[in-house]
Amino acid sequence: DGGITQSPKYLFRKEGQNVTLSCEQNLNHDAMYWYRQDPGQGLRLIYYSQIVNDFQKGDIAEGYSVSREKKESFPLTVTSAQKNPTAFYLCASRTGGGSNQPQHFGDGTRLSIL
Amino acid sequence: RKEVEQDPGPFNVPEGATVAFNCTYSNSASQSFFWYRQDCRKEPKLLMSVYSSGNEDGRFTAQLNRASQYISLLIRDSKLSDSATYLCVVNDRGGGNKLTFGTGTQLKVEL
Repeated sequence: DGGITQSPKYLFRKEGQNVTLSCEQNLNHDAMYWYRQDPGQGLRLIYYSQIVNDFQKGDIAEGYSVSREKKESFPLTVTSAQKNPTAFYLCASRTGGGSNQPQHFGDGTRLSIL
Repeated sequence: RKEVEQDPGPFNVPEGATVAFNCTYSNSASQSFFWYRQDCRKEPKLLMSVYSSGNEDGRFTAQLNRASQYISLLIRDSKLSDSATYLCVVNDRGGGNKLTFGTGTQLKVEL
């Protein structure tokens, strides 16, 4: 099946620990995005990548890092510098082309602090 | 002022009712518009894109009013399965095709 796969579905982190969330897509999409969603808030953009080996900060990049070594993969690391990491993390991708192309989402990772 | 603003609801409607949601956006240069549906504790899923001339997909109709900077979604003959949060989404930031999400309008369809 074609799609976007995020893993794990649930993740627990201890204070001071870095964790990496996986996002893989087999849609041959050029662009990939990471968002976090908190209760009562809209999705907020963390990082995005339009092409392999290139990525840009979104609105709330502090405490996060990413890499884009392969077109299919865009992992997100939540570092110990992120003081409030508990959230629902969503990865999305889109094909190239005009702005009218929508983004499609993976089913998310819920991160909690122990 | 929020970039994309929606009434959070909830809208509680009986099955079979027609319900309409509005969404306003602040950036007049916004290029593309979408409605996404999000079920509780799930990922957002594209419901429909919104075109300048308005568009329809079955029971769902989306319209765009650029002059007043608002987008609407109309759901006719609502079903129990339509219960969800509806997110208004705007592509308004050029490079990177980044999206701005509204906080969503919650719909509850009841028997």
